[in-house]
Amino acid sequence: QVQLQESGPGLVKPSETLSLTCTVSGGSVRSYYWSWIRQAPGKGLEWIAYVHDSGTTDYNPSLKSRVTISVDTSRNEFSLTLRSMTAADTAVYYCARVRLGDISLTAFDLWGQGTMVTVSS
Amino acid sequence: EIVLTQSPGTLSLSPGDRATLSCRVSQSVSSTLLAWYQQKPGQAPRLLIYGASSRATGIPDRFSGGGSGTDFTLTISRLEPEDFAVYYCQQYGSSPRYSFGQGTKLEIK
Repeated sequence: QVQLQESGPGLVKPSETLSLTCTVSGGSVRSYYWSWIRQAPGKGLEWIAYVHDSGTTDYNPSLKSRVTISVDTSRNEFSLTLRSMTAADTAVYYCARVRLGDISLTAFDLWGQGTMVTVSS
Repeated sequence: EIVLTQSPGTLSLSPGDRATLSCRVSQSVSSTLLAWYQQKPGQAPRLLIYGASSRATGIPDRFSGGGSGTDFTLTISRLEPEDFAVYYCQQYGSSPRYSFGQGTKLEIK
C-alpha cells in the first residue's frame, strides 16, 4: 500500500532554512494533492501548504511569506522549504495526502509518521 | 478566518460508554467540508470521518459523525480501550484552505 516517509534535519538553527522531503512509496505522486501539516509540542494541528503535480499550490496565509512547497515526479517525492526559522517553528512535521474520490480535497487520508524539527542554536 | 472550537477539552469515560464530541464552527459551512481525526500518542492522525458523516476506509461502524451548519458531532457508540485518544475536527475552506480544532482528549475514567 501507499506509504509516506518524511526526511530532513532534526535540528535547525534560528534564522536558517528548513528543508523537508516526503517520499511516496507503493504509489505515484501524480494526480494527487500533497500537503505538509505541523504540530508544535503538546499543541494542535496546523496546515502549512499543498501541491499538485500540475503545479497548483496553496499556502496557509500565516506562513505563506516563508514557505515553498514543490513536487518532483521523477523522484516520486514532494518537499517543503521554510525560511527564517524561529523557536515557534519547533514542531513535528507531517506529510499527508489529500483525499480524492467522493467529496474530494476536503480531508487528509494518508499521513507520514512525522519528523520532529527543533529550532535551537 | 473560520475558527473551530471543540468541546469538551477532556472527556473522561469508561470502556463501553457512549462518547459524544462536539465541534462548533464560527460560521456556517457545508457538511461536506467537515472531517474528524483520531490521534494516539506518538502517532500521526488518522482520518475517521469525512463529509461530516462518511466513514473513512477501515473505520469501525461504532464511529459516526453528524451535524450541519455550525455544529457537528463525533459519536463513538461503545468505547473500546483503543479509542482513548485525542480527536480533532477539521474543515476545508478558503483561507486558510484547511483548519483544525484544538482537539478533545478522550481519557479513561
